[in-house]
Parts: sequence; C-alpha cells; structure tokens
Amino acid sequence: GAVVSQHPSWVICKSGTSVKIECRSLDFQATTMFWYRQFPKQSLMLMATSNEGSKATYEQGVEKDKFLINHASLTLSTLTVTSAHPEDSSFYICSATGTSGSAISYEQYFGPGTRLTVT
Amino acid sequence: GQNIDQPTEMTATEGAIVQINCTYQTSGFNGLFWYQQHAGEAPTFLSYNVLDGLEEKGRFSSFLSRSKGYSYLLLKELQMKDSASYLCAVSGITGGGNKLTFGTGTQLKVEL
Repeated sequence: GAVVSQHPSWVICKSGTSVKIECRSLDFQATTMFWYRQFPKQSLMLMATSNEGSKATYEQGVEKDKFLINHASLTLSTLTVTSAHPEDSSFYICSATGTSGSAISYEQYFGPGTRLTVT
Repeated sequence: GQNIDQPTEMTATEGAIVQINCTYQTSGFNGLFWYQQHAGEAPTFLSYNVLDGLEEKGRFSSFLSRSKGYSYLLLKELQMKDSASYLCAVSGITGGGNKLTFGTGTQLKVEL
C-alpha cells in the first residue's frame, strides 16, 4: 500500500522555540494532506487540511499563526509549531490522500507520527 | 457537524469474538472507516464501508447501516496482539478532500 513518512519521529525542544515536522508521501502524489494532534488516551483531532499550492484550512480553535502549514509540493507538507510551550506537547500525525501510484482515492494514509515534548 | 460515539473500553478473551459498535450523526457522509491503533503508533487501516451491509476481511468484518447511523467492527478468533485502540471515523466531503472525524476510540483488552 501507499506509504507516508514523517520526520522526526520524536523531538524535544525548549519552550519558546519552533519545531518543524515533515510529512512525505513516498510512492504517490498527495493531493491533500491532513495534520492531526493526539493527546494521551484521546482520539485524533484534526488540526488542518492542506492542498498542494494553496493555504491550509484550519479547524476551529486551531491557531493558524502558531501552527504553520506549508504544502509546497505533491509529496511534502510541513507543520511548524512556533513558540512552542509545554501544552503543545503531543503526538502529531499526518495523513495523505491521492489517486496516483499505489494510493486508493478514498483512503487516508497515515504517517508514523511525531512525538513532541516541550520542556 | 459530526458526532461519533463508541464505547471507551472493552475486554474479551483470547479466541473469542468481540463486536465494537459505533454510532454517528453527520451532516455529510462519504464513508466510514475503522482503524486500529497501538499505543504510541499511528492508526492502521482496517476497513471501509460506504454502502449498507457487511464487509469481511479475514478475522475482521465491518457492518454499516446508513439509515441508522450505525456501524460495528467484528473481530473473530481474538489474539493477544489485537489488544489496541479501535477508532471509528466518518468521512465527510470538504472543499479540499475527504475529511475524517474520529470517535474517541475503544480500548480493547484481550485476556487469556
């Protein structure tokens, strides 16, 4: 099946710094990418939806100036957590949909996730 | 909007059958997914239903009734490795693609 990678798999940063997380579709072109956040023992909460070459659509309550999303190509989207604080510590997961390569149009393919810890 | 309900926890015995229910209310529907998630890992795809009825895939089956806003995931011949969180997710159409809304997940514990 289609593969999505994320980098880094885990990161520890100091409060006030920024962290960038990359999400790549390895064997298909991702027309749409999604970013989720998951706190311990909770479900996935959608943060934003991004389409290649256009601005991301953020879910209600998600600060677009704090969580910067760039989807510059059909295989790469980045999430930058700016001025991170301890409450931003979470598991961030991306997913992608596409119709090329090994991707099936209705399915979202998830990356392995990035564990962010802000100290 | 979308509202999805599923039990928080379930316990079952190795070798048994367990059914995890999911009810949903949605303003737009483009299919229902079931995912399995082990702690600290990303969700993995189990099944997709867009039409009413039962979809069977090995030990896993998923059922959908659109008129009742109801789905279930059936796991047969339970194994210890099936202990995980099972997420029900409904797909609705947005301007930018199919958007998934997840339920809170059902933590399944398989015991000897």
